[in-house]
Amino acid sequence: DAGVIQSPRHEVTEMGQEVTLRCKPISGHNSLFWYRQTMMRGLELLIYFNNNVPIDDSGMPEDRFSAKMPNASFSTLKIQPSEPRDSAVYFCASSSKGKSNQPQHFGDGTRLSIL
Amino acid sequence: DQQVKQNSPSLSVQEGRISILNCDYTNSMFDYFLWYKKYPAEGPTFLISISSIKDKNEDGRFTVFLNKSAKHLSLHIVPSQPGDSAVYFCAASWASGTYKYIFGTGTRLKVLA
Repeated sequence: DAGVIQSPRHEVTEMGQEVTLRCKPISGHNSLFWYRQTMMRGLELLIYFNNNVPIDDSGMPEDRFSAKMPNASFSTLKIQPSEPRDSAVYFCASSSKGKSNQPQHFGDGTRLSIL
Repeated sequence: DQQVKQNSPSLSVQEGRISILNCDYTNSMFDYFLWYKKYPAEGPTFLISISSIKDKNEDGRFTVFLNKSAKHLSLHIVPSQPGDSAVYFCAASWASGTYKYIFGTGTRLKVLA
């Protein structure tokens, strides 16, 4: 049973470049979450989708960040242009939301370094 | 404004003894709480959860206690094993918040053999 799959696992790029992080949620899950983990702020929710529709993007730091979910099995988080302060580990998580609260399942993250 | 706080960044415990990890929250709207475990270079893994209608939930060596009046929850691991060494995050959510999670900053547990 495949878990949440993120790619790439590591990304090193120069400031100003566009960065695209990818996520494949667990099949059948209808909610998808993007988080950023830094030493200073811990795990922060950036945006989440329910049934492919963005529900809350209040955690997206600024307009340089954008996220899409074109279908139930794929999402992207894009940073354009990237800056050194965007360096962090980015996690994607998915869950199945019904009447009861189901835990989110996380991918192994993308470690992003902006030089 | 940190709504979920883990005030101990690290904890060391001898193998076989009890590990107690603590978490405080400020938002009385939270009605569901979770603990996640994270190993290096991996994503957080769900460990155990508790609804606000309960004050205790147990799963094997792991027990979570919830004290709503004190806005405090704790995770007990008995007995602790070296493989439990990881970073533990508590998280809180609320139904009217459409199940969005707010995470604490984590506690690094080291179980000494």
